[in-house]
Amino acid sequence: QVQLVQSGAEVRKPGASVKVSCKASGYTLTRFYLHWVRQAPGQGLEWMGIMNPRGGTTIYAQNFQGRLTMTTDTSTSSVYLDLSSLRSEDTAVYYCARAMADSTWTIDCWGQGTLVTVSS
Amino acid sequence: QSALTQPPSASGSPGQSVTISCTGTSSDVGGYNYVSWYQQHPGKAPKYMIYEVSKRPSGVPDRFSGSKSGNTASLTVSGLQAEDEADYYCSSYAGSNNYVFGTGTKVTVL
Repeated sequence: QVQLVQSGAEVRKPGASVKVSCKASGYTLTRFYLHWVRQAPGQGLEWMGIMNPRGGTTIYAQNFQGRLTMTTDTSTSSVYLDLSSLRSEDTAVYYCARAMADSTWTIDCWGQGTLVTVSS
Repeated sequence: QSALTQPPSASGSPGQSVTISCTGTSSDVGGYNYVSWYQQHPGKAPKYMIYEVSKRPSGVPDRFSGSKSGNTASLTVSGLQAEDEADYYCSSYAGSNNYVFGTGTKVTVL
């Protein structure tokens, strides 16, 4: 079945960077766009951006431009989120999420989430 | 891009119906038919329940339905069951390759 399996929890100090991985299985990675969404503790969902794993085209939400990089490794069916210049407000669960094949702006499958804690 | 506005909470007794609103603008909810609804249980990843305003994925009970009027979308859960107690989020395409979520609604089954 379709699955997105993410890397484990991370702890970083303010100013550092973090890289979260998301491995796709049960489908061909390059046929579906991937979103990244985060959720701070007790808060709502926040869209971070979207990428086309075929070719690597990315679109980042304005709030993250300059700090966010999304990449893909098709050889391992994995996508990566790299967030730099971390601050305490970046403490959140980060989700990768697959878009539907014929509806880029509908998410039909989510990873289990990766908790990133930013603390000195 | 501002979050779409949802009521913080909604509730109903088992068997009753509850409707959650999601208010945006003509630049997001009102401008596109890419409104989705997600259900999230505590500590779990969201799950899509409705997409493109009113379409229901296979496996989602027909107790869940979606609609839209102007800049406001709605999710109705009929015949409430205990397992429907969760947080619900709407989302919408917002033009210019932007995407926005709602503020979230906690549904309580009394």
